[in-house]
Order: sequence, then structure tokens, then C-alpha cells
Amino acid sequence: QVQLVQSGAEVKKPGVSVKVSCKASGYTFTGHYVHWVRQAPGQGLEWMGWINPNSGGTNYAQKFRGYITMSRDTSINTAYMELSSLRSDDTAIYYCASSITTLSYAFDIWGQGTLVTVSS
Amino acid sequence: DIQMTQSPSSLSASVGDRVTITCRASQDISNSLAWYQQKPGKAPNLLLYGASRLHTGVPSRFSGSGSGTDFTLTISSLQPEDFATYYCQHYYSIPRTFGQGTKVEVK
Repeated sequence: QVQLVQSGAEVKKPGVSVKVSCKASGYTFTGHYVHWVRQAPGQGLEWMGWINPNSGGTNYAQKFRGYITMSRDTSINTAYMELSSLRSDDTAIYYCASSITTLSYAFDIWGQGTLVTVSS
Repeated sequence: DIQMTQSPSSLSASVGDRVTITCRASQDISNSLAWYQQKPGKAPNLLLYGASRLHTGVPSRFSGSGSGTDFTLTISSLQPEDFATYYCQHYYSIPRTFGQGTKVEVK
């Protein structure tokens, strides 16, 4: 079935990087943009950016430019989101999401989420 | 950037109640609006897109309306499984901003 499966939880120290993966299955990976959304503890949803798996093109929210990198490996149908220079307020659940079945840009498929904890 | 403002931020309701949540965009987004439901510890689930189109498998007690800047999500008869947090999101432009969420709690 159509699904996105993310990598497991991470605990990182401030200042280092984290790379979260999102493996797609059940659909043509290169046909649909992959978006990343994060949710800090007890907070709302924050859109971070997208990657076009076909071309590798990206578009990041202004807030994250300079310390976020999205990439993909089409040979294994996997998208990645790397956040560098981590701070404590980067502690959040990170989701990948995509628009697969609707003829819109709404996110009809989500990964299960990856908890990233930044703590010294 | 387009700002999305939801109201209320929380509400208390009983099973069987009619519940209405509003979402206002800071500029015209046509009908480029989605509604999501999120339960604790789970990823969000798409309820509606195009402001009023029900996603596959979503019960018909959920409905959406609006266009331009003002939108509404209505649950016609609240069920026990509907206690959750609801988010609107526009997809008119980048960034794809979410509303701050509305938590529907048991009265």
C-alpha cells in the first residue's frame, strides 16, 4: 500500500546535525513532491519545505534556510531531511508528507514521524 | 507569507453536538485549503481538501465550506472518535502555512 516510513528516534547534542529518512512505497516516488513538517512538543504544525524527488529541486521555508538540506536517493525511493547546528528548540517530531491521491496539494499521506531530541 | 488564523483555539463539546471551527487566511487563497485531524501521538490525517472536498474514507459528518479568506469545518454530530486537534492549512503558495490548531475536548 501507499506509505511513507521514517527512520527512528534520535538524540543529539546541541551544535551537531541530524539526518532523517523517509522511504516511500506503493507509488511512483519521483512523481510526487515530498514535504517536511515538524511539531515541537505540545505545539502546532510547522511546514519546513519540499523536495522534488524527480529533479532534486528544493524549496525551504525562510526560517530554515542556511541550516536545512533536503535530498533524495531515487534508487531506494527515499527522501532525507538534514538539520545542522541543532539547538534545543529543534526538539520536535519531524514528519514527511506527500500528495498522492487527491488532485490537489493537500497532504494525503504522512510518515509516522521521527522524534528528534536535542539535549546536552 | 500567508497567515492562517483558527478559532477557537479549543472548545468543549459533547457527543452528538454540532461543532464549527473557523479558519481565516490573511489574503485570498481561493479554495486552496485543507483540514487535518490529529490525535495524540499520531501523524495528522487529511479530512478535506479544496475547502469542501471530503477525502476518501472520511465520514460524511465532516464538511467544509468557504472560499477566499474565510473557511469553516463543521462536524454535524460529534462522535467519541472525533475528540482530537484540527488544523487548517493553505496550499496556495509557499510557505504552506498551518493554522495554530483547535483542540476539541470532552465537555
